[in-house]
Amino acid sequence: VQLEESGGGLVQPGRSLRLSCAASGFTFDDYAMNWVRQVPGKGLEWVSGISWNSGTIRYADSVKGRFTISRDNAKKTLYLQMNSLRPGDTALYYCTKGQGATILHSAFDIWGQGTMATVSS
Amino acid sequence: SYVLTQPPSVSVAPGKTARITCGGNNVGSKTVHWYQQRPGQAPVLIIYYDGDRPSEIPERFSGSNSGNTATLTITRVEAGDEADFYCQVWDSSSDHWVFGGGTKLTVL
Repeated sequence: VQLEESGGGLVQPGRSLRLSCAASGFTFDDYAMNWVRQVPGKGLEWVSGISWNSGTIRYADSVKGRFTISRDNAKKTLYLQMNSLRPGDTALYYCTKGQGATILHSAFDIWGQGTMATVSS
Repeated sequence: SYVLTQPPSVSVAPGKTARITCGGNNVGSKTVHWYQQRPGQAPVLIIYYDGDRPSEIPERFSGSNSGNTATLTITRVEAGDEADFYCQVWDSSSDHWVFGGGTKLTVL
């Protein structure tokens, strides 16, 4: 069971990044997925979650309207489109698998190693 | 928005018991999950639904939740347990996941 993030990098404020998360070793379309970020040396912050069939999507207030989560079950891939990036979005972004099909309640039982997004001029 | 409060640090001698608290308004009515994050590594789920434990997690780790406090208990603490620990709940009023601020466990 593995999650592998990609797409991070250095970007100027106001620009965009698209993160990807490739899943393997489990039936991807049976489970909800989430993005969690962590500023180096700081705590965890939930960013967004999506249910198994994309029917339920939620965002943290800090990213709502700027970030878009999506998934392609055929490709077993989770995405995070990040627009209008700010320096405060600089963080390590983790892709996580939920224990259940819905976003609600079920813990994050698998985590990727993360991809770093740095927003700076 | 819902807030989970954890002590920034807890210290314990090897072989003793560590207790890490997670405070929140009526958190006992919610289900709490706990994660361990060792330095330089991704978080790992160690307790889910208040007190259940993934099969690969040692029995030394346990959780409880009642009233305004959830507690992670680690018995017979080992040097390898040193890590940051985070509690997590689903806040149904905001439809958001919430993490506590994290607790750094130091083994003396």
